[in-house]
Amino acid sequence: NAGVTQTPKFQVLKTGQSMTLQCAQDMNHEYMSWYRQDPGMGLRLIHYSVGAGITDQGEVPNGYNVSRSTTEDFPLRLLSAAPSQTSVYFCASSYDDRAKKGYTFGSGTRLTVV
Amino acid sequence: GNSVTQMEGPVTLSEEAFLTINCTYTATGYPSLFWYVQYPGEGLQLLLKATKADDKGSNKGFEATYRKETTSFHLEKGSVQVSDSAVYFCALSHSGGSNYKLTFGKGTLLTVNP
Repeated sequence: NAGVTQTPKFQVLKTGQSMTLQCAQDMNHEYMSWYRQDPGMGLRLIHYSVGAGITDQGEVPNGYNVSRSTTEDFPLRLLSAAPSQTSVYFCASSYDDRAKKGYTFGSGTRLTVV
Repeated sequence: GNSVTQMEGPVTLSEEAFLTINCTYTATGYPSLFWYVQYPGEGLQLLLKATKADDKGSNKGFEATYRKETTSFHLEKGSVQVSDSAVYFCALSHSGGSNYKLTFGKGTLLTVNP
């Protein structure tokens, strides 16, 4: 019963490098999303997906790409990392986007861009 | 647009004290309301929820009532414990066009001292 699994837990990147943050869920949830958490800002939605093959932008999408080729996986790609992308990233999923039973969150990826 | 405002922290209490964390929202229609808790080094966990006006969500001694007339969803607990030390997020689920999104407040850090 893994829930939402995020890898890696920690990552340090140099400015301009690229990387992919992985997110996988085993609950057959249709809805998945990525948030970033910054001090004093709460959580802000980056991208979300309501099902395989369907993605859309959230509040702060610039600098990030996503794809959803399977129900289980929702990777987040940083094409050219910038110091402003230093943050803690959370992946979340739910049965559907209405999420009346709440979202299930992963344990987060702490990213530092130097 | 839709937004959540919760009281600024940090909040520091002694064990067995009464806790209130205020949360007000701005939204069209009838959003669902949530409180999430984040323990140190972990992801967010759903604490309680309410999906319609006058609903009371409760869990682990925490309570919050959906007050549409005051657009509020204040979190309360009668007697806090050291183990309740965490960051608490108020959130609402609303339809932003074709899909629902979860909007978070900035979070309130609670520290309970023995």
